[in-house]
Amino acid sequence: QKEVEQNSGPLSVPEGAIASLNCTYSDRGSQSFFWYRQYSGKSPELIMFIYSNGDKEDGRFTAQLNKASQYVSLLIRDSQPSDSATYLCAGNSGGGADGLTFGKGTHLIIQP
Amino acid sequence: ETGVTQTPRHLVMGMTNKKSLKCEQHLGHNAMYWYKQSAKKPLELMFVYSLEERVENNSVPSRFSPECPNSSHLFLHLHTLQPEDSALYLCASSPRDRAIEKLFFGSGTQLSVL
Repeated sequence: QKEVEQNSGPLSVPEGAIASLNCTYSDRGSQSFFWYRQYSGKSPELIMFIYSNGDKEDGRFTAQLNKASQYVSLLIRDSQPSDSATYLCAGNSGGGADGLTFGKGTHLIIQP
Repeated sequence: ETGVTQTPRHLVMGMTNKKSLKCEQHLGHNAMYWYKQSAKKPLELMFVYSLEERVENNSVPSRFSPECPNSSHLFLHLHTLQPEDSALYLCASSPRDRAIEKLFFGSGTQLSVL
């Protein structure tokens, strides 16, 4: 059974600080990982994906992948109130249309 | 706007009704998906279509019946649903570029079964 685990939160971070969101996965065959942001009442929106060990940066966002530890994280620098949302971690095995396995999501609150 | 359009946005139906959810993607993608999102549960994969052929049926009850007439359109036909089927139903599409499944979601249909 493929599983993706996230702390549901809420995670409260002051404005301007770094928000750190974490995710672990059970399927060692998983090859690529995705972070989605979901605002209340809206659908998930892709923020970043990563498939190589190490860090990947895009603007204020950095995704980190450690396949040995089966661990994925998302760092948000200079957090803004507009970053307040639920962040979903997802993974897949690659190579076909298997669909993504999602975690329950972490509710992030950026305090002004 | 993600390029994936779902209708209707909201649907209320009785347990004996038959209804259909519609999804259309304008992104030229070749894979489409149905996901179910319930409160306090992870997104659950229901169906996957790749090049109009169903490749995944994640043990979904037969009261949910998908249809994919072409690579741009996807339907979910509903009949004799149960109250526990009330949830947000999300359609997604993916280009499956280099085997990386980047999913782009529609706005969803919020379904209430009475």
